[in-house]
Amino acid sequence: QKEVEQNSGPLSVPEGAIASLNCTYSDRGSQSFFWYRQYSGKSPELIMSIYSNGDKEDGRFTAQLNKASQYVSLLIRDSQPSDSATYLCAVSGSARQLTFGSGTQLTVLP
Amino acid sequence: DVKVTQSSRYLVKRTGEKVFLECVQDMDHENMFWYRQDPGLGLRLIYFSYDVKMKEKGDIPEGYSVSREKKERFSLILESASTNQTSMYLCASRGTDSPLHFGNGTRLTVT
Repeated sequence: QKEVEQNSGPLSVPEGAIASLNCTYSDRGSQSFFWYRQYSGKSPELIMSIYSNGDKEDGRFTAQLNKASQYVSLLIRDSQPSDSATYLCAVSGSARQLTFGSGTQLTVLP
Repeated sequence: DVKVTQSSRYLVKRTGEKVFLECVQDMDHENMFWYRQDPGLGLRLIYFSYDVKMKEKGDIPEGYSVSREKKERFSLILESASTNQTSMYLCASRGTDSPLHFGNGTRLTVT
């Protein structure tokens, strides 16, 4: 069974700090990795995609992928209260569907 | 931008009713999905479709069926709604090796 595990929350960080969200996956054949943000009562929205080892930066967000260790992380720099949400890690291999983690709830304290 | 449109934001139905949830995407994606999301249970895949008239069961297909007569439209059908089907239903689509794009969701209440 393919599994995606996320660090258990909830996670609280002060405004302006770096929030670090981690995700490990079991399928070594996984090729595509995604981070979604979900506000309460809303649908998930894509914030980052990463396909190769290393770092990918987009504004305040950095995704990091290490296929050898089978983990992917998301760093949020200069965290803002508006970043408070649940963050979902998703992984895709040869299958058409994505495997999602259970999510990490992040709270940024003003 | 990819647009995935779900026909209803909120629905209230009675036990035993037949319920149709409609989803349309505008990006010519071959893959479409229906999930339900409940507190503490995360996203659970009900059915998905990889082509017109093709469907595959996800993790929790019992009590549901789907229809895909056109590439852009994927319908979820609750044959006889029950209270344990009260949930947030999310439709999504993706192309080959591309991210999943979600609709706004339908919050269904079965009374």
